[in-house]
Amino acid sequence: QQQVKQSPQSLIVQKGGISIINCAYENTAFDYFPWYQQFPGKGPALLIAIRPDVSEKKEGRFTISFNKSAKQFSLHIMDSQPGDSATYFCASVSGNTGKLIFGQGTTLQVKP
Amino acid sequence: NAGVTQTPKFRILKIGQSMTLQCAQDMNHNYMYWYRQDPGMGLKLIYYSVGAGITDKGEVPNGYNVSRSTTEDFPLRLELAAPSQTSVYFCASTRDYPYEQYFGPGTRLTVT
Repeated sequence: QQQVKQSPQSLIVQKGGISIINCAYENTAFDYFPWYQQFPGKGPALLIAIRPDVSEKKEGRFTISFNKSAKQFSLHIMDSQPGDSATYFCASVSGNTGKLIFGQGTTLQVKP
Repeated sequence: NAGVTQTPKFRILKIGQSMTLQCAQDMNHNYMYWYRQDPGMGLKLIYYSVGAGITDKGEVPNGYNVSRSTTEDFPLRLELAAPSQTSVYFCASTRDYPYEQYFGPGTRLTVT
């Protein structure tokens, strides 16, 4: 069964610190790896994504690191802010139907 | 653009009742998806569609049905509601690779 395993389940970081969330996937056919951010009561929103032929992608304070040989990818949030407090989901895209396989989610709390 | 819209926002059903969750998008996206999110869990795919007239099962299709008669609309039908269907339901859509999905605001359903 295709799976994406995400850790940690929850994370508390001080304002200005670095938040790191890790994901591991099993299926080498996955060809796109997005991260979604979800605030309470809202739908998930695409935050940043990476293709498997790239090892790192940075957008502002958010960086994805991708290790194809280890089948792992991670989200780094630099200079974390209280407004970053949300649930983060990693995902992998499967095949030509766009189906997302989600990780279990990480609840991030950034303390002021 | 309104993006992806879902109605209703909240609904309480009695066991055995039926209902249709509505989803519409105005972005001319071919691909549409229905997910459910249980408390503290990731999102699981119920059904998806790659175009009008074409639907297929996802990971957790039992107890649900869909139809896709137009590009814009993708309703989800619950027949004989059960307490196990208590969840938050999200609809999403995307155009094509890399399948960056846009999510609606969700429908919170309680079956008692």
